[in-house]
Amino acid sequence: GDSVTQMEGPVTLSEEAFLTINCTYTATGYPSLFWYVQYPGEGLQLLLKATKADDKGSNKGFEATYRKETTSFHLEKGSVQVSDSAVYFCALLYNNNDMRFGAGTRLTVKP
Amino acid sequence: DTGVSQDPRHKITKRGQNVTFRCDPISEHNRLYWYRQTLGQGPEFLTYFQNEAQLEKSRLLSDRFSAERPKGSFSTLEIQRTEQGDSAMYLCASSLGGVDGYGYTFGSGTRLTVV
Repeated sequence: GDSVTQMEGPVTLSEEAFLTINCTYTATGYPSLFWYVQYPGEGLQLLLKATKADDKGSNKGFEATYRKETTSFHLEKGSVQVSDSAVYFCALLYNNNDMRFGAGTRLTVKP
Repeated sequence: DTGVSQDPRHKITKRGQNVTFRCDPISEHNRLYWYRQTLGQGPEFLTYFQNEAQLEKSRLLSDRFSAERPKGSFSTLEIQRTEQGDSAMYLCASSLGGVDGYGYTFGSGTRLTVV
């Protein structure tokens, strides 16, 4: 069935370092793809999304490009901050009624 | 609209007791979802409603779990005879069904601890 696999964590970076969190998906059709972020003790917040191949989602300095040829949606940020420390989830939505999540990648940014 | 609200934020209960959680979605959203998240894992789908109709239930949703969405507004999730394995974060989300790629808006969750 449709699924998402994302890079295992935890990931620890120094402030201003470059971030990549890998995400690949398996789907029979053309899902929409999402990145959600979860801060400690909170629910999930939508970070960015892309609905079709070659779309680039971006928000708060984060970017991800929907790559159909590699079935990937890697999350990147050029310069991370301590406040970016959180758990990041890649997700796909197919047929609008079943969002599937990866296991999450915990990011810690040290000053 | 202040987003998706869940109540309570935390619940500690003794094994065998019943608990009920409430979710208030974004008012114009016609779809409402319940997910369960255990430590170190992504959310797992439990069930969803379109308006007041419960359209899908995961096999994770045992017969001790029941969800309702009367009048297509708020929803409740009840767990009867709680077990320690029910300890998790229960997340509610809402969306505008029929809009491709709209995505879900999540509440802050209810953390259940069964002792």
